[in-house]
Amino acid sequence: RKEVEQDPGPFNVPEGATVAFNCTYSNSASQSFFWYRQDCRKEPKLLMSVYSSGNEDGRFTAQLNRASQYISLLIRDSKLSDSATYLCVVPAGSGYSTLTFGKGTMLLVSP
Amino acid sequence: NAGVMQNPRHLVRRRGQEARLRCSPMKGHSHVYWYRQLPEEGLKFMVYLQKENIIDESGMPKERFSAEFPKEGPSILRIQQVVRGDSAAYFCASSREEGAFFGQGTRLTVV
Repeated sequence: RKEVEQDPGPFNVPEGATVAFNCTYSNSASQSFFWYRQDCRKEPKLLMSVYSSGNEDGRFTAQLNRASQYISLLIRDSKLSDSATYLCVVPAGSGYSTLTFGKGTMLLVSP
Repeated sequence: NAGVMQNPRHLVRRRGQEARLRCSPMKGHSHVYWYRQLPEEGLKFMVYLQKENIIDESGMPKERFSAEFPKEGPSILRIQQVVRGDSAAYFCASSREEGAFFGQGTRLTVV
């Protein structure tokens, strides 16, 4: 299994839709996980962190399944401005450690 | 409280020249990552540094590339004798345990 694997998409959804992305990882030692978003030709920006079972922030919910080694990102009530690439990030271990990025899932929200 | 500062934002070099990319981490951050992103590709880890110490350089090409993070001053990514394949966006991130925060990147173009 690749270190961090994501469906590249693109996911094409209408405004207001609910969309979910999954990310699988191979390193069972990883303790915390992150979702970033990256707009075209811009730097990645931290969206959410996931430390235990999950995290919710407004329309965004991240969940962690340690047994199956995957994390998910759910976006409710999609907005046009949500169009971006969403990157799953897995640290090599706990605390400070190398961060491995998935290749990202592209989301396109249309009117 | 300035974020991660990278300079220059854009750098053009002729084949065979040297490229120096600078990164100043966020205040209070002592760890720096360098990532490379080729056009239409994902982020690829290059090197992870602490002040005066390279923690992980497993993603660095064996030749022509080097990185440092001195006690004083910014982190430097140095590419000697650049080739066209080095053209990419180079992102630096500094980290605390809650996540890594990226600079706006340096876009290197080798002509």
